Formats: sequence, C-alpha cells, structure tokens
Amino acid sequence: TQLLEQSPQFLSIQEGENLTVYCNSSSVFSSLQWYRQEPGEGPVLLVTVVTGGEVKKLKRLTFQFGDARKDSSLHITAAQPGDTGLYLCAAMEYGNKLVFGAGTILRVKS
Amino acid sequence: DTAVSQTPKYLVTQMGNDKSIKCEQNLGHDTMYWYKQDSKKFLKIMFSYNNKELIINETVPNRFSPKSPDKAHLNLHINSLELGDSAVYFCASSQDLNSGNTIYFGEGSWLTVV
Repeated sequence: TQLLEQSPQFLSIQEGENLTVYCNSSSVFSSLQWYRQEPGEGPVLLVTVVTGGEVKKLKRLTFQFGDARKDSSLHITAAQPGDTGLYLCAAMEYGNKLVFGAGTILRVKS
Repeated sequence: DTAVSQTPKYLVTQMGNDKSIKCEQNLGHDTMYWYKQDSKKFLKIMFSYNNKELIINETVPNRFSPKSPDKAHLNLHINSLELGDSAVYFCASSQDLNSGNTIYFGEGSWLTVV
C-alpha cells in the first residue's frame, strides 16, 4: 500500500481545458510537495504546502493542502502543451527522505 | 552550470556485470541522495548521505554500494547486475537534512540490463 495515492494515473486533454490532480493519504503530513518531471529530466519542485487549507498559485497552477493535512490537489487552468509531463506529489519524512506518489502523466494536445 | 550532474546518462550492460554511476553537485550542499524510478515512473529513495555519512539505506540489496569521497560527490556502484535493476537512477542533493530544504535532482541515468 502506497503512502500517497495519486489520481488519475493518466490524463490526456485538449489545450485550453482545465484539470485537477489529486494526492490522498490516510496519514497526516507536516507538508506536501508537488514536482513536475519532463521526459529525460529529473523532477523539479513546483511548490511546498505547509498549512492545512493553504492555497498557493503558480501562474495557471493552483495547489491546495487539505484542512486535515492528509491530501492535496493541483488544478491547472487552460492547460497548454507545455504543461505536458509527469506530476508527482511527495511527502517529507524523517531525514529529509521524500516519499513520492505514483505520479500522474499529463498530456495536453494542441 | 548544471547543479547536479550524473554520468553516464545512458548505460546498457549485460547481466552479471558491475557498473558505476557518478554524481557531482556544485551547490555546496551537505546532503546527497540516490533515487530509483522504475518503468511505471514510481520514484523511491535508495540512499542518503550527509557530510559523507550514510543516513538512509532503504533496504536496498547489498549489490548496491554508494560511496561518497567528499560532500560534493556520491557515486553508486552496482555489482552483479540483474534484469530487475533496469531503471532510471536519479542523484539529488539538498542543503542539509532540514526538511524545509529543496531537493534538487539530476537528469537521471538510464540503466538497461540485458
């Protein structure tokens, strides 16, 4: 059983559509992170959410941390082909150990 | 300048061989990591080192031996390679073990065992 459950696993949408990716767990976290990984590259940190109920915006990306700090969501408005990639949520455990969800592969078609 | 660089980027080798992947970071960080990403894109930590000292060893087979000659380098040596070792291996670093620090990943080393 994975600590972090991500859904959907795969998403293929048209340019201009909106989408939401979910990251859920039964555990409470002090923080959650979202990463984006492009083909042939390593994951790159997008955001860290720390406070329950927190909402952070990064241009067309909106990240939310659940009130109980057990879940998080990533919403993309008006998706563009450049948003294509693997989106990973991750939680930090003791010793700066990142535990990742299984990821959501996003494909935005023009 | 690349912050976390690893070599080689691609490696194809036969079962039973021994191979090494090298990693260097020029960020002045104290902590370095090795992560493994399988064919389903699942990313999992293997090792972490802080100031050349092993901190995390995630029940990785002892055929995998990390070595940190100094803070800026963390190499991964794999003995007796098996088919199941085929994966992408990512080196990463962070300022220290403080959980608030950003972790920076290298571009990955694609290992294929045939």
